[in-house]
This record gives sequence, C-alpha cells and structure tokens, in this order.
Amino acid sequence: DAGVIQSPRHEVTEMGQEVTLRCKPISGHNSLFWYRQTMMRGLELLIYFNNNVPIDDSGMPEDRFSAKMPNASFSTLKIQPSEPRDSAVYFCASRSGTWDEKLFFGSGTQLSVL
Amino acid sequence: SQQGEEDPQALSIQEGENATMNCSYKTSINNLQWYRQNSGRGLVHLILIRSNEREKHSGRLRVTLDTSKKSSSLLITASRAADTASYFCATDGNQFYFGTGTSLTVIP
Repeated sequence: DAGVIQSPRHEVTEMGQEVTLRCKPISGHNSLFWYRQTMMRGLELLIYFNNNVPIDDSGMPEDRFSAKMPNASFSTLKIQPSEPRDSAVYFCASRSGTWDEKLFFGSGTQLSVL
Repeated sequence: SQQGEEDPQALSIQEGENATMNCSYKTSINNLQWYRQNSGRGLVHLILIRSNEREKHSGRLRVTLDTSKKSSSLLITASRAADTASYFCATDGNQFYFGTGTSLTVIP
C-alpha cells in the first residue's frame, strides 16, 4: 500500500488566494483526520471524518476553512481567503474504524502564505 | 494544546543513555498512543497502551500509564543517534488529540 498521500508537498501563495490541500487515505480506512502543525500551537486537530461524514469540526479555526470528503478515497481542505497566519504544515491521517487502531500519517503539506 | 502536554519540551542525551518522556492529559481515554516524528516528516506510530493496562514493552520502548494521575511515560533504553526525533503522546477518546511533543537529541 502507498500509505496516505497528500498533495501538494509544498504550497506558496499570496494572501487572499484560495488554497486547496488534498488527501488520499489508505484504502479500507474509514476515518480521516486533518491536523495543522506550527511551532507555537503544536499539532491541532482541525476536523475528523468517519465514513465520509464530518463528525467534529470544532477545531476548524474559522469560516475561511472548509473540508470535504466526497468519497472514501479523497478529502480536501480548503482555505479561502488565505492569510499569513495560516502558514503551517497540514497533515492528513487515516485509520480503520475501530477505536484502538493507530493513525497513519501522510507526509504533510508545507503551506506558506505571503 | 487541545489535550496533552509532554515533558520535558526538549531532551539531550548521550548515545547509550536512557531517555524518559512524560505525558499528561486532560480527559478520560480509551487508549494512549506514542508517535515519533522525524524532521520534515509525518508522525509514525510507536506503541499503544489501553486504559486498563499499566505497562507495555516493545523492543527498546517501555510505556507506563497511570489513569488516576492522567499521565504516561515513554522510556527509550540504550538510545541511538537514530532515535533523534520529536515524540508525541496522543489520547483517543473519540478524536485523536496530540500533546506538544518532546524533542529528543541523541548525541553520538
């Protein structure tokens, strides 16, 4: 298996632009998590899907952030409009459904908003 | 952080020494997991301990869990330079919340 695949690996954009981050979870996994990592705030859970349904989006910082999971093999995290404070590494992770299963992480997207 | 805190924030030891990291968390849990992150990479799962377990071993790793104190520790024995990384605890109530991490440097 190729593992969790995230794209792009790096994204540099200007303030005000729309940014879309993509994630392909491991086949057969039915839970998907989006995290944001910064030096100041560590790893923050943004949103969590189970069977393609958003279960908890309380970590999404504001309405500029939105996430979708149209099917079991694809998810997007969109920021519109982007701001410099959104600069961070964004990770996607997936796991199979049971609660004692480990998370598998993608390599992350390094986002820089100028 | 959303859930846990690791202690210390940074740790520097000589190769061959043992490294101990601690994690405190806030709410009741189903299990606690430890992950490792090499610079610029995603996190990798190391070990899981369930809420009804007190201690678990895996190779050079030893994890303890004290649910009454809401704390866990990770011991890496006979450390190697390749163990240099950041280590995170994660609690699984329903979501997965990570602590702030301990940055471990093992000096050859």
